[in-house]
Amino acid sequence: QKEVEQNSGPLSVPEGAIASLNCTYSDRGSQSFFWYRQYSGKSPELIMFIYSNGDKEDGRFTAQLNKASQYVSLLIRDSQPSDSATYLCAVIDSSASKIIFGSGTRLSIRP
Amino acid sequence: GAGVSQSPRYKVAKRGQDVALRCDPISGHVSLFWYQQALGQGPEFLTYFQNEAQLDKSGLPSDRFFAERPEGSVSTLKIQRTQQEDSAVYLCASSHPPRQREYTGELFFGEGSRLTVL
Repeated sequence: QKEVEQNSGPLSVPEGAIASLNCTYSDRGSQSFFWYRQYSGKSPELIMFIYSNGDKEDGRFTAQLNKASQYVSLLIRDSQPSDSATYLCAVIDSSASKIIFGSGTRLSIRP
Repeated sequence: GAGVSQSPRYKVAKRGQDVALRCDPISGHVSLFWYQQALGQGPEFLTYFQNEAQLDKSGLPSDRFFAERPEGSVSTLKIQRTQQEDSAVYLCASSHPPRQREYTGELFFGEGSRLTVL
């Protein structure tokens, strides 16, 4: 079992709709959780981080964390074509020595 | 510079050759990470430095892979006797260390070094 699991997609969402991306992790001691966006041929860039259970909103993005279920999600409201990218879930492991990435979910926003 | 700088951006090696990839992190970032990203996959952790100390090298796939950061700034990832399965983008990232006030866990990535082994 991979330490951080994501559905590889592709996930196709119409423009203006809500895109929902999900991630599960195996290290129950993990404390910090991140969503990175990676455009094709580019490096990952951070879009959200979350440390506490519940929701965290930043503009059109909402991250949700449920430590009991070891589940992290990212909602993108009013999806735009520019949101088309691969979204990587990342977790700092309990040793705090490394940040583990999932394999990413490809999101495609169709006009 | 303002960002993480990696060189070379592209490297083609014949199987069996040795390669060296360089990373120049953001000034003041004492944490430095190397990741390997194969096509269509997420970044796979290779190794982590805090200053010059290599605190975690558990992700290095074999003893052909070696990383160093002798003065706590620039880092080099060396791959000896390259194999075709080593073909990937090698990403370097830097950050503030945990427990420093500015620490958020965010990694700042370089543009990567794309290695192709023929």
